[in-house]
Amino acid sequence: DAGVIQSPRHEVTEMGQEVTLRCKPISGHNSLFWYRQTMMRGLELLIYFNNNVPIDDSGMPEDRFSAKMPNASFSTLKIQPSEPRDSAVYFCASSGQGQKQYFGPGTRLTVT
Amino acid sequence: GENVEQHPSTLSVQEGDSAVIKCTYSDSASNYFPWYKQELGKGPQLIIDIRSNVGEKKDQRIAVTLNKTAKHFSLHITETQPEDSAVYFCAATSGGGADGLTFGKGTHLIIQP
Repeated sequence: DAGVIQSPRHEVTEMGQEVTLRCKPISGHNSLFWYRQTMMRGLELLIYFNNNVPIDDSGMPEDRFSAKMPNASFSTLKIQPSEPRDSAVYFCASSGQGQKQYFGPGTRLTVT
Repeated sequence: GENVEQHPSTLSVQEGDSAVIKCTYSDSASNYFPWYKQELGKGPQLIIDIRSNVGEKKDQRIAVTLNKTAKHFSLHITETQPEDSAVYFCAATSGGGADGLTFGKGTHLIIQP
């Protein structure tokens, strides 16, 4: 079975540019989570969706960050404009019926 | 909100010995406690989890214990092997898995041959 799919795996961009990260959850899962991992702050929750509806976005650091889930099989996390402090690994995870969360391989973002 | 503390940050054990990683949480409403293993360049992999209605759970060489009164839970790995070397994260949530997880800072486990 395919796990959580994220693209791109690596992204290098210049400060001020728009960045879009993509996630395809495991088929049949109804919850989707976006996390960010840095050395300083560890793994932190940014936002999560249940049945395509955003439930808690309190972890989104600034208005520059936005996330959408237009359907059950696709979500995006957008940063506009990007800044060097946004450099991190961004993970998407999904779960079904409130059970175990499975993580994707992550997108390593570098903003220069 | 929830706060999860994890210790130690680094743990080095001889191959074949046991390893124990401990976590504490602050929110008494938390009811789901998963453990993840992360290898270099990969996403966190769920290895075991426990819910608040259970005190202990075991899966082969891995076990997790939960003390709700003291608000702490631990990961036990027995007969450690080189492939157990990785960073391990504990997490907690009050949503039974449906809500976002709050993670500890991680433990770098090193298995010495």
